[in-house]
Amino acid sequence: GAVVSQHPSWVICKSGTSVKIECRSLDFQATTMFWYRQFPKQSLMLMATSNEGSKATYEQGVEKDKFLINHASLTLSTLTVTSAHPEDSSFYICSARDSGTANYEQYFGPGTRLTVT
Amino acid sequence: AQSVTQLGSHVSVSEGALVLLRCNYSSSVPPYLFWYVQYPNQGLQLLLKYTSAATLVKGINGFEAEFKKSETSFHLTKPSAHMSDAAEYFCAVSDRGSNYKLTFGKGTLLTVNP
Repeated sequence: GAVVSQHPSWVICKSGTSVKIECRSLDFQATTMFWYRQFPKQSLMLMATSNEGSKATYEQGVEKDKFLINHASLTLSTLTVTSAHPEDSSFYICSARDSGTANYEQYFGPGTRLTVT
Repeated sequence: AQSVTQLGSHVSVSEGALVLLRCNYSSSVPPYLFWYVQYPNQGLQLLLKYTSAATLVKGINGFEAEFKKSETSFHLTKPSAHMSDAAEYFCAVSDRGSNYKLTFGKGTLLTVNP
């Protein structure tokens, strides 16, 4: 149980285009999901907290107009990187909290590797 | 604000030797603490967690960690390293006052030598 999927697992896009990444909780409902960014050989940095049916809460320094987050259902959150540039190339990981059980634990997706050329 | 410090960005051990990965935390409230493992190009897998129950926590793959409040530590150990343990390990603290969001340490790369 408690499986989180991400799609796509990797994507290459051209500079200036937008890319959407999906995060799904497959066997539980998640009112709260989190988006992280990880540069090579570095730790995970929280970008934003996504709450179902409301606006995401962004961490300091994260451009909300560049990283659009939508959490329209209890099992799906999306991250759209708008007007992507090479510096946005990174590993993006989502996690989700199970609304129905112990609410402190996060379950992580397998990550999405974004390369902007 | 909460923070996590992992001492040693890289730890190297021989197969069969003791593994010790250090983690110290800072938190204004009793913390929830976690250890995660990450293999290359993959997401995070939970090894174990401390949630204010037993101070000695046993996890998967033979790992365990001991919560020491006086030392604000949550070090990860395994009696005998296996080649398959080679990976990146992250310690994290959960903020109960902010949707339980996680703050991660910088990670420790564990290499296991044959």
